[in-house]
Parts: sequence; C-alpha cells; structure tokens
Amino acid sequence: DQQVKQNSPSLSVQEGRISILNCDYTNSMFDYFLWYKKYPAEGPTFLISISSIKDKNEDGRFTVFLNKSAKHLSLHIVPSQPGDSAVYFCAASGGFGNEKLTFGTGTRLTIIP
Amino acid sequence: ETGVTQSPTHLIKTRGQQVTLRCSSQSGHNTVSWYQQALGQGPQFIFQYYREEENGRGNFPPRFSGLQFPNYSSELNVNALELDDSALYLCASSLTGGTTEAFFGQGTRLTVV
Repeated sequence: DQQVKQNSPSLSVQEGRISILNCDYTNSMFDYFLWYKKYPAEGPTFLISISSIKDKNEDGRFTVFLNKSAKHLSLHIVPSQPGDSAVYFCAASGGFGNEKLTFGTGTRLTIIP
Repeated sequence: ETGVTQSPTHLIKTRGQQVTLRCSSQSGHNTVSWYQQALGQGPQFIFQYYREEENGRGNFPPRFSGLQFPNYSSELNVNALELDDSALYLCASSLTGGTTEAFFGQGTRLTVV
C-alpha cells in the first residue's frame, strides 16, 4: 500500500521556466511533509518542508503548497536551473521531520538548457 | 560540524552471508534511522534508534537488526542475505525533541549475488 505517491516518474522543463512536482498521500495521520533532492551516488538532501497547519512555505526559488482536503502537495521551482536536475522525493511523517519518514517513489527532473 | 558518514560505500556479498553496515551521525544528533532504497523505489523505513534503544520499526524481518552506541553512531546488521536485499542502504541522523529535519548519509550500495 503506497501511502505517498508521486505519479510522474519524470519531468523535463526548460531552463528559466517553472518546474512543478506533485505528490499525493492517503494517510490522514501525516502532518509534516518534506521534499528531498537526490543526485546519483549521494544521499537525499533536505530541500523544504511544510507543517499541516500551513498551506504554503517558501524558501528562495522553492515553494511547497499543501492542500489537506485533497491530500495533495506540490513543489514549485522558479526559475528552474540546470543544477536542479535530480530525483525529487516527497516524504511524510506523523510528527516533525526527525521521525519515521514515508517516501514516494520519486520524480526525475531534467532541466533543459 | 561533521555530516553523516556511512561505510563502506559499496559491498558485494553472497546469498546466505551476513553483513554489517556502519553510520556516524551528525554532531549533536541523538537519533539514527535506517532506510532501504531498492532500484526505482523511494527509501523504505527499516528502524530507528534513540538513546541506544529501538524506537520504531518498519515492515522488515527480524534478520534485519541494529545497534546504536553511546556516541550515537549506529550499525545495521543483516543475516542470511537474500538476493532481494540488494539495495542502497541509507542512514539518517536527527535530533529527537528538536525541529530540524533528518540528514542523510551517502548510502551503502549492497549487492547480493
């Protein structure tokens, strides 16, 4: 049972445009959501997070939106840069991001110069 | 501030053998979690250790076991290796009681032949 789903295995975006990565979850007990970025041969790197009491969190070029009623979150990257090319994982937990994380299967983002 | 380090980076074992993977947590962190990432999948939670005690376990058989030491470093042991155990094993350290997210090591790539 996949409790966190990323239905797009891959996404290609032109440099300078907006990248939008989507994530859906099924478990209503999740109340903290994170995005991790992963390059080949490296561990996941924390990118941005959001608590369920918020519907938006912004950090520089990265913004995460949470729609609790739809159990959906998205990551927006504006403007997209070549260094953003990586695999992006959505993760969820029942508490802060230091607790057990349930991950999606990832979306490979490719930024086209 | 030192990051999370894992050893070894790559390992090849034969089916039926036992393996020990090691993780040094980030300075100031008291909690270590282990994840298994199979090819094309997101990381799956194996277990978490806090103050040398197991503090949560995912859906993995008992032949997956762990230890946490007084300096908060950790080991993951897998007995009776199976071909399906071939995966990237990730260690994440965090601070229980804090509000910071988990930081991951670069992983150990285990191949079982």
